[in-house]
Amino acid sequence: EAAVTQSPRNKVTVTGGNVTLSCRQTNSHNYMYWYRQDTGHGLRLIHYSYGAGNLQIGDVPDGYKATRTTQEDFFLLLELASPSQTSLYFCASSPHRAEVFFGKGTRLTVV
Amino acid sequence: GEKVEQHQSTLSVREGDSAVINCTYTDTASSYFPWYKQEAGKSLHFVIDIRSNVDRKQSQRLTVLLDKKAKRFSLHITATQPEDSAIYFCAASIASSSFSKLVFGQGTSLSVVP
Repeated sequence: EAAVTQSPRNKVTVTGGNVTLSCRQTNSHNYMYWYRQDTGHGLRLIHYSYGAGNLQIGDVPDGYKATRTTQEDFFLLLELASPSQTSLYFCASSPHRAEVFFGKGTRLTVV
Repeated sequence: GEKVEQHQSTLSVREGDSAVINCTYTDTASSYFPWYKQEAGKSLHFVIDIRSNVDRKQSQRLTVLLDKKAKRFSLHITATQPEDSAIYFCAASIASSSFSKLVFGQGTSLSVVP
């Protein structure tokens, strides 16, 4: 069974704070993704990567940085968190143009 | 950029009836169309997909239809059961680009009522 593990599962931070969301996959997949899920918007792609050191900009990248340090690890960084970034964040991995496997999500609240 | 639209935010059907969820996409280069299911409080998991070289794919009670001319695809669920109640997301991936970007629709919340 493909595995994508996100941490933390829940996070509360203050406006202007610094947050790092972590994701590790043990599927040997090339692609990894960060999405945010908000009511009425579905899943929106923040950043994605095709392998260690590779980074592609998604559809809603403003306020987010990402880094793919290894084939397994993909991080999402919010350096100056804002209340508009309160959301449910999903990390996912996939082979090229095939089934995507999602983590369980990280619920981030910016107060 | 590529957009995927699900115009039904909610759908309610009676148990045993069929449900149809529709999606449209904008980029003619899209060639891979998966569907995902999200049960309450849980993550998403894959249910079925279709590639642009076919116009129909069936897996048990699920059928996906693809109309490339209209840039439309749909998920059909027959003999619905209470456990089919969930949010269903369609998605589209562009095959011609160097990197595979998967864009999702807004989701359709399906309720199967007894």
